[in-house]
Amino acid sequence: EVQLVESGGNLVQPGGSLRLSCAASGFTFSSYAMSWVRQAPGKGLEWVSGISRSGGSTYYADSVKGRFTISRDNSKNTLFLQVNSLRAEDTAVYYCAKDRIVGLTNDFDYWGQGTLVTVSS
Amino acid sequence: DIQMTQSPSSLSASVGDRVTITCRASQSISSSLNWYQQKPGKAPNLLIYAASSLQSGVPSRFSGSGSGSDFTLTISSLQPEDFATYYCQQSYNTPTFGGGTKVEIK
Repeated sequence: EVQLVESGGNLVQPGGSLRLSCAASGFTFSSYAMSWVRQAPGKGLEWVSGISRSGGSTYYADSVKGRFTISRDNSKNTLFLQVNSLRAEDTAVYYCAKDRIVGLTNDFDYWGQGTLVTVSS
Repeated sequence: DIQMTQSPSSLSASVGDRVTITCRASQSISSSLNWYQQKPGKAPNLLIYAASSLQSGVPSRFSGSGSGSDFTLTISSLQPEDFATYYCQQSYNTPTFGGGTKVEIK
């Protein structure tokens, strides 16, 4: 059974940092591109960042470019998102999501339960 | 970035109704269009990929159509468990989502 379990969300002050993690199981993690998608309270979905299966290619939404860094550790089946210089508008539930098939398809067949990041003083 | 516009933003329907949701891309995206269902407090669930392919395990009352810049999600006979918010998403390049369509009970 495919499982994605996020952690690391917390209440943080503006300008602060967090490292989000997503532990994957039930599939060959190193074979799939992965993404982070966020959802502000009461709002829609926003793709944040994606990473190729090897980690050699990374992609970012303009809204987070230069502040967020995606990475992965295929030996530990874990996806990360380092979030720096946080702003109030980054407050959201952050989901990790798996690409549906091998290769970068950007359609997401499995999602974690999400981890909440709240940016407030 | 490619902008995705969904309509309507909400609708009220009854069990058994046929429901249609549309999604328009700001440029042609071929068939690189996906549909998700999301229930309150839950993660999204992939329904349709590549505009018209039904994801494994999704009931056949869900169908998708379209290509280029105009797409449609159809629920042929609305069931109680289908009351949720639906999102389109383009995977032609950097992913973007539509604003969502909330399907409510009439």
